[in-house]
Amino acid sequence: AQSVSQHNHHVILSEAASLELGCNYSYGGTVNLFWYVQYPGQHLQLLLKYFSGDPLVKGIKGFEAEFIKSKFSFNLRKPSVQWSDTAEYFCAGGYYQKVTFGTGTKLQVIP
Amino acid sequence: GAGVSQSPRYKVAKRGQDVALRCDPISGHVSLFWYQQALGQGPEFLTYFQNEAQLDKSGLPSDRFFAERPEGSVSTLKIQRTQQEDSAVYLCASSLADNSPLHFGNGTRLTVT
Repeated sequence: AQSVSQHNHHVILSEAASLELGCNYSYGGTVNLFWYVQYPGQHLQLLLKYFSGDPLVKGIKGFEAEFIKSKFSFNLRKPSVQWSDTAEYFCAGGYYQKVTFGTGTKLQVIP
Repeated sequence: GAGVSQSPRYKVAKRGQDVALRCDPISGHVSLFWYQQALGQGPEFLTYFQNEAQLDKSGLPSDRFFAERPEGSVSTLKIQRTQQEDSAVYLCASSLADNSPLHFGNGTRLTVT
């Protein structure tokens, strides 16, 4: 079965620290991968996506993710977090329109 | 409109009642999705429409759940004879076309007492 797993449920960082959130997927063949973010009180919104091509994808607000096929991973990174990055982050993957979400990682950035 | 609009934002239902949740997608978006998000979990796929056609309803948890999009725009998710395990946030998302990013609404938080 297709699945996406996020291993970090809750991460606390100080401002300016570097961030890496793990995401692993179990799919065969072509896969589309996404990271979505949900800021407090707001709706889910797309951070970045990978369909094909360059495995290092850049998204909004300085986030990037690297698709490593051999590790079935799509980790999210940011070199220096800000207080405003406090949010819940969801990795997602799937074919066509049936996207499967991970359980989410809550990031808390301390000023 | 500017984004996906869902109503109501909050709904409290007594066990056994029927509820109807509405979704107004972004104008012109062909695809519409319903997801269920339980507390502490990620969104779980329920069903997908392309225009008025319901192409995938494999995620609907039981025959008490029914979704429609009769004119290819507004969609309604109906839950009959609600149970406590139906308590969750129900998210609607729309997208312009296949493989386009999903645009989510704020969701409807359903609490069944």
